Amino acid sequence: DAGVIQSPRHEVTEMGQEVTLRCKPISGHDYLFWYRQTMMRGLELLIYFNNNVPIDDSGMPEDRFSAKMPNASFSTLKIQPSEPRDSAVYFCASSLVDREAFFGQGTRLTVV
Amino acid sequence: AQSVTQLGSHVSVSEGALVLLRCNYSSSVPPYLFWYVQYPNQGLQLLLKYTSAATLVKGINGFEAEFKKSETSFHLTKPSAHMSDAAEYFCAVIDGGSNYKLTFGKGTLLTVNP
Repeated sequence: DAGVIQSPRHEVTEMGQEVTLRCKPISGHDYLFWYRQTMMRGLELLIYFNNNVPIDDSGMPEDRFSAKMPNASFSTLKIQPSEPRDSAVYFCASSLVDREAFFGQGTRLTVV
Repeated sequence: AQSVTQLGSHVSVSEGALVLLRCNYSSSVPPYLFWYVQYPNQGLQLLLKYTSAATLVKGINGFEAEFKKSETSFHLTKPSAHMSDAAEYFCAVIDGGSNYKLTFGKGTLLTVNP
């Protein structure tokens, strides 16, 4: 398997624009996670899905953030409108019931 | 609530020396514990995990960790450091039961000097 695939790897956008981050989990994994990494706050869980259903979105910062998982092989994280404080590395991860999470390479988002 | 404390944001060792990275956790139920490694501009890679089986867990690249319930610790060790071990290391915890939320420590940057 190619592992968890995220796109794009880098995104630079202007404040106020909509940003969409994409993730393809490992085939057969039941759980999908979105994390954000910043120098100040470290690694934070934003939301996770089980069998395409959102289970816990308590880490989503505010209504500007939304995540969807329309099928078992695809998920998106959308920020609308984007703000400079959203600049971070966003990771997608997937796992089986054993809780062993496999991470993608991340998307480095810069909002100017 | 689950939490993780990593003692020392930066550890520097000489090549061939012992590596010891410290992690203490807080969990209301028997936890799952993990160590991940992150190389520059890369994602996180699992080194090892504890899931209530043997308390001494062996992982990849010669790393191991020991679960000590009485000390609520899960320290990571490697007998002899290699230059290629230079990276950032994260300890993480999941409360047991039906929880799947990984809570990470702040990370420890390991530098290996020649």
